[in-house]
Parts: sequence; structure tokens; C-alpha cells
Amino acid sequence: DAGVIQSPRHEVTEMGQEVTLRCKPISGHNSLFWYRQTMMRGLELLIYFNNNVPIDDSGMPEDRFSAKMPNASFSTLKIQPSEPRDSAVYFCASSLEGGRISPLHFGNGTRLTVT
Amino acid sequence: EDKVVQSPLSLVVHEGDTVTLNCSYEVTNFRSLLWYKQEKKAPTFLFMLTSSGIEKKSGRLSSILDKKELFSILNITATQTGDSAIYLCAVGSYNNNDMRFGAGTRLTVKP
Repeated sequence: DAGVIQSPRHEVTEMGQEVTLRCKPISGHNSLFWYRQTMMRGLELLIYFNNNVPIDDSGMPEDRFSAKMPNASFSTLKIQPSEPRDSAVYFCASSLEGGRISPLHFGNGTRLTVT
Repeated sequence: EDKVVQSPLSLVVHEGDTVTLNCSYEVTNFRSLLWYKQEKKAPTFLFMLTSSGIEKKSGRLSSILDKKELFSILNITATQTGDSAIYLCAVGSYNNNDMRFGAGTRLTVKP
């Protein structure tokens, strides 16, 4: 199994630009999570999906952030417009039955730098 | 609000030392506690604990959960430089599907 695949690995963009991060979960996993990691705040849950349906997006910082999961094998996290404070590593993770029951499998992350 | 607190935040030891990492939590309807190791990239799963007093062991690593006192410890014996990483504790509840992570403990093992 290829594991959770995220792209791009690195993204450098200017303030105000739109950024789209992509994730392919492990086949057969029905829960998908987006996390953001910074030195100051650690790993923060942004949103998670169960069977492609967003369950909890209370961690999404503001309206500039949006996430979609059009099918079981693909999800996107979009930031529009981006700001320097969005700079972080964004992780996508999937699990078989939800993180509380089975472990999360993380992708290698997208390191976002907004200048 | 659910809370996961790890201590210490950072730790520097020498090869061969034994370390104990702590994770305390306040979670409504606790379901499970998981430990992850994060080196340069993605966190990787170590242990999942759901019952008190039952030690999980993998090589030099072991972990145990105390649901009465609401904490878990992760022990690493005979540390090696390859154990240098951030160790993350995460807690899940019956209320929802997500995992709340602690801030992590950054362990540095010097030769």
C-alpha cells in the first residue's frame, strides 16, 4: 500500500494567492482528517470527513479555508486568500474506522510558506 | 473542552539512558489514547491504549494507561540516537471521530 499521498510536498506562495493542497487516503479507509502543525500550536485538527461527508469543521480557522472530499479517494484543502500566518505543515491522515477506534495514518505533509 | 497535556516538552539524554514521557488528559467519554513518533515527516503510530493497567510493549518501548488518574506514560529503555524524535500523545472520545493531540515531547538522544 502506498500510504496516504499528499501533494505538493512544498508550496511557496505570495500573500493573497489561492493555495490548494491535495490528499489521497489509503484505499478502504473511511475517515479522512486534515491537520495543521506549527511550532507554536502543535498539531491542530482542521476538519475531518467520514464516508466523504464533513463531520466537524470547527477547527477551520476562518472562511478563507475550505475542504472538500468529492469521492473516497481524494480530498482538497483550499486557502483563499492565503496569509503569512497560514505558513505551517499541513498533514492529511486517514483511518479505517475513525481515529478513536483505529490509528491515523499520516501523509508526509505539505510545507506551506506564504510570503 | 478536551485537553491533552504532555510533559516534559523537551528532554535531552545520552544513549543507554531510560526515559519516561508523560501524557495527561481531560476528555469527555474517553475511548482511546494513542502514541505516535514523529521524526522528520509524518507521525507514525506506536501504541493504542484503551484499558487501564495493561502494558503495551514493542522492543524497547512500552506504554501503560491509567484511566482513573487520566494519564499515560511511554517508556523507552536503553535509548539510541535513532529514538530522537517528537513523541505525540493523542486522545479520542466516544463523542466524535477525531483525535486531539498534545503538544509533544521532543526527545534528543546524544551519542
